[in-house]
Amino acid sequence: AQSVTQLDSQVPVFEEAPVELRCNYSSSVSVYLFWYVQYPNQGLQLLLKYLSGSTLVKGINGFEAEFNKSQTSFHLRKPSVHISDTAEYFCAVSEPNNDMRFGAGTRLTVKP
Amino acid sequence: EPEVTQTPSHQVTQMGQEVILRCVPISNHLYFYWYRQILGQKVEFLVSFYNNEISEKSEIFDDQFSVERPDGSNFTLKIRSTKLEDSAMYFCASSEGSDRTPGYTFGSGTRLTVV
Repeated sequence: AQSVTQLDSQVPVFEEAPVELRCNYSSSVSVYLFWYVQYPNQGLQLLLKYLSGSTLVKGINGFEAEFNKSQTSFHLRKPSVHISDTAEYFCAVSEPNNDMRFGAGTRLTVKP
Repeated sequence: EPEVTQTPSHQVTQMGQEVILRCVPISNHLYFYWYRQILGQKVEFLVSFYNNEISEKSEIFDDQFSVERPDGSNFTLKIRSTKLEDSAMYFCASSEGSDRTPGYTFGSGTRLTVV
């Protein structure tokens, strides 16, 4: 069964700095990969997803992620963060015809 | 844009009581899910539902839990005899295709507090 590991539980960063949130997955077959964002006291919002094709995926709010099959990674990046990006970010993986599994989450805190 | 709607947004219940959490999935979606997030912890899969039956469930989803699609629009999660450790945010989700490739659309959650 598929699983996902988010290597950093917390990432503090200053405003306008770049950020990378790391995600590694484990699966014996091809996978679909997702990043979700959860703002305080809100639900889960899809940031971006990788299904197939180009390994660089662009999402909402200026985020992008790159699928690296050899390293089984799907790291999330943003070149310049804002205070409003402060949230919990979840990486998720699913195999075809299997249900989605989430990582433990990374809390991104953007400081002024 | 179509949404998954969950009600209520917050429910407080006494230990030992039964609760029903309600969800209205997106109308043309075929697969439905419940996930749970205990405060400060990861989002955990509970159950998936397709064609009026459970297709997969986790070890968390024991006999205390049940799901139902009582009509053409609602999808419910029932928790019998609630325990303190059932306090969590419960998310409903739905997806469209047979291989679930589009990813899920999540509702905004129901915060369950067991006292």
